[in-house]
Amino acid sequence: AQKITQTQPGMFVQEKEAVTLDCTYDTSDPSYGLFWYKQPSSGEMIFLIYQGSYDQQNATEGRYSLNFQKARKSANLVISASQLGDSAMYFCAMREGNTGGFKTIFGAGTRLFVKA
Amino acid sequence: DAGITQSPRHKVTETGTPVTLRCHQTENHRYMYWYRQDPGHGLRLIHYSYGVKDTDKGEVSDGYSVSRSKTEDFLLTLESATSSQTSVYFCAISEVGNNEQFFGPGTRLTVL
Repeated sequence: AQKITQTQPGMFVQEKEAVTLDCTYDTSDPSYGLFWYKQPSSGEMIFLIYQGSYDQQNATEGRYSLNFQKARKSANLVISASQLGDSAMYFCAMREGNTGGFKTIFGAGTRLFVKA
Repeated sequence: DAGITQSPRHKVTETGTPVTLRCHQTENHRYMYWYRQDPGHGLRLIHYSYGVKDTDKGEVSDGYSVSRSKTEDFLLTLESATSSQTSVYFCAISEVGNNEQFFGPGTRLTVL
């Protein structure tokens, strides 16, 4: 069965420093996708980055990169040069299959606090 | 921003009453989803739809039903609301070949 684990309920980081948010997953499907979403205090869900299970390179989107270690089943989010606006809840998610649809499961989330 | 609206945005109701939440999209995306968000649980899938009149259960479907009679609308119904269904409900959409799910603004439901 699918499972997503985020072991860090809360994280603190100093402004301008890098931070890594942990995510491990479990699936028996060889084809899957991994996502990270940001939820600021205003409540909306913002897509950050996607990694496919067959992608050879780690995904990057601006200051966000996904450290994909397939053998360890981990998909950690790295935020470089943290900004005060990065303070938010961050969710790791996984979708099995390769159709663009169907079931996606989410982790419990990590709340990131960026200190000035 | 993807064109997804949810109505109502806030609702307070009493135990035992029926409640219907509406999700409306203007993107003509095939897939639509209903999630609930509770502290400590992240988002959990309630039901999803892969086409008009095609729906299936998610991981927390008990006490909920859905309908999709048009591509643009996905309705979530609580036949008899309970206090355990107090939550924030998110609708999302996605399309074949597109990795991202686009989320609506959420509906905060309180069942007294």
